[in-house]
Amino acid sequence: NAGVTQTPKFRILKIGQSMTLQCTQDMNHNYMYWYRQDPGMGLKLIYYSVGAGITDKGEVPNGYNVSRSTTEDFPLRLELAAPSQTSVYFCASSYWMDEQFFGPGTRLTVL
Amino acid sequence: GQQLNQSPQSMFIQEGEDVSMNCTSSSIFNTWLWYKQDPGEGPVLLIALYKAGELTSNGRLTAQFGITRKDSFLNISASIPSDVGIYFCAGQDSSNTGKLIFGQGTTLQVKP
Repeated sequence: NAGVTQTPKFRILKIGQSMTLQCTQDMNHNYMYWYRQDPGMGLKLIYYSVGAGITDKGEVPNGYNVSRSTTEDFPLRLELAAPSQTSVYFCASSYWMDEQFFGPGTRLTVL
Repeated sequence: GQQLNQSPQSMFIQEGEDVSMNCTSSSIFNTWLWYKQDPGEGPVLLIALYKAGELTSNGRLTAQFGITRKDSFLNISASIPSDVGIYFCAGQDSSNTGKLIFGQGTTLQVKP
């Protein structure tokens, strides 16, 4: 099993540009999550999904959108990138809402 | 919102020393998890705790779920250089959301 994979690993965006961060898991997990991690800080939940077709906001959802059309994929969309969205983004998945397995992260810089 | 207080914020120790870190919360948690994050990587689950008072080991790591359900600690015995990284606690709240709340992390550096 590859576990949780994320693409791209790194990306630089200009202010106002859009992009989609991809996340795929091959563990048949019900739950998937998007977090952001700022320097010296813990993980903040952006959005999560309890199954295909069902998503909900986390702690810091503003400026982001998600969709979950399949069990495996959970892309995160940034519509109008802002410098405040410079961060490391982690996708995670779990069978129940407890032991979460994380991807390697996407480092995003908005200039 | 709910917050976890994780301490210490950072530690710089000599190889072979034991390490202890803890997390406290103002609210009750159903589950406590401990993760380790290596530089440039995602967090990796070390230990999961599900019952108040539970003490669980994973090699040189030992973690406990506090009796009050508001705290947890992680001990690392006989530290080695590869223990370097950031350690996060996470608690699953007892409300109907069930989401994980993460501590701010303890950065561990080990001097050979």
